[in-house]
Amino acid sequence: KQEVTQIPAALSVPEGENLVLNCSFTDSAIYNLQWFRQDPGKGLTSLLLIQSSQREQTSGRLNASLDKSSGRSTLYIAASQPGDSATYLCAVRRQTGANNLFFGTGTRLTVIP
Amino acid sequence: DAGVIQSPRHEVTEMGQEVTLRCKPISGHDYLFWYRQTMMRGLELLIYFNNNVPIDDSGMPEDRFSAKMPNASFSTLKIQPSEPRDSAVYFCASSRDMSSVVYTFGSGTRLTVV
Repeated sequence: KQEVTQIPAALSVPEGENLVLNCSFTDSAIYNLQWFRQDPGKGLTSLLLIQSSQREQTSGRLNASLDKSSGRSTLYIAASQPGDSATYLCAVRRQTGANNLFFGTGTRLTVIP
Repeated sequence: DAGVIQSPRHEVTEMGQEVTLRCKPISGHDYLFWYRQTMMRGLELLIYFNNNVPIDDSGMPEDRFSAKMPNASFSTLKIQPSEPRDSAVYFCASSRDMSSVVYTFGSGTRLTVV
């Protein structure tokens, strides 16, 4: 069974700092990996998606990397802002079988002004 | 498009009562997913549908939970009877097809069973 782990569970950083969120998964046979953002009381917003054949994806200040063989992904946020405060979840989609996502438990990020 | 619409946003009910959660997926999306989010277990898939047909319900906790999709624009998740341990946020999501990379989530229903 695919297990997805995110460390740390919570992170506080001062505004302007660069930071890295980590995601690890146990089964490397994935179709893709997504990073989501969840604001309190809200649903999930997809930030970046990396296909299994890709190494990284970038969107603005966000950069996500994927090392499928080691079962790891990172989300790099440059020049953090208070508006980046949210919970960040990674999710992997299996290579075969059911069309669903396995989610990590998330990292709650607080950017202090 | 208004996105995935869930109702109600909040539900408080007494133990033993029936609870019905509703979801309207994005028009044209063939896949619909029900997820449950708790602090302890994070987001878990309960069931998903393809073209209104349930494909995988292995995540449904027990017989008290049931889900239906009578047409392409509406789905329900029912809990009968409800228990305090069912308290969680329930999310509905939809996607276009198997190759779609985008899952669109609703805002969720926060269920509290007292």
